[in-house]
Amino acid sequence: DTEVTQTPKHLVMGMTNKKSLKCEQHMGHRAMYWYKQKAKKPPELMFVYSYEKLSINESVPSRFSPECPNSSLLNLHLHALQPEDSALYLCASIPQTGGSYNEQFFGPGTRLTVL
Amino acid sequence: AQSVTQPDIHITVSEGASLELRCNYSYGATPYLFWYVQSPGQGLQLLLKYFSGDTLVQGIKGFEAEFKRSQSSFNLRKPSVHWSDAAEYFCAVGSYNTDKLIFGTGTRLQVFP
Repeated sequence: DTEVTQTPKHLVMGMTNKKSLKCEQHMGHRAMYWYKQKAKKPPELMFVYSYEKLSINESVPSRFSPECPNSSLLNLHLHALQPEDSALYLCASIPQTGGSYNEQFFGPGTRLTVL
Repeated sequence: AQSVTQPDIHITVSEGASLELRCNYSYGATPYLFWYVQSPGQGLQLLLKYFSGDTLVQGIKGFEAEFKRSQSSFNLRKPSVHWSDAAEYFCAVGSYNTDKLIFGTGTRLQVFP
């Protein structure tokens, strides 16, 4: 299995809702990433988990809360989002950390719309 | 600080024509360089990467890129473009001491039949 899966594919939520995005990989990768991508822009790094511990937080607002329950699974919990948080949320994984020479394997993304 | 510049926001080519997408980077040491492709609404797929060694790198889907240290460039080329190559292309740079990638702003490729 050489892919990263993300669910759901699409999500529409109100500003008072709580929802979660899920990312899964079964490649034995030890680091997983969350990116946010607005239309016609490059991905912006949000969080990196390395060996199930948060290693990078790019000063993301607290309404985004990441969680890594195990080495295969990465969640992004969403609460009290704003319309400007509408974007494509991408998950990626790499075999190991210690330098960005590793190819990042990306999931297909979750298209989030906040009303 | 590391940075990546993709000077061309949008390129249009005819099917069968050759293609070159430009990428310039700024980094003090030897960079790790990548080209990713993204189809609309999809994730990113790695086309090729350069770490060291031969400066001409072959990738998937018939793409190649050449690392030129003197010009701080890593341009992507394809001799004959297919309609299915229409997508967004991102150049990215990384290094040995970080797990982050710095992405360029992307080049949107449109292919006319």
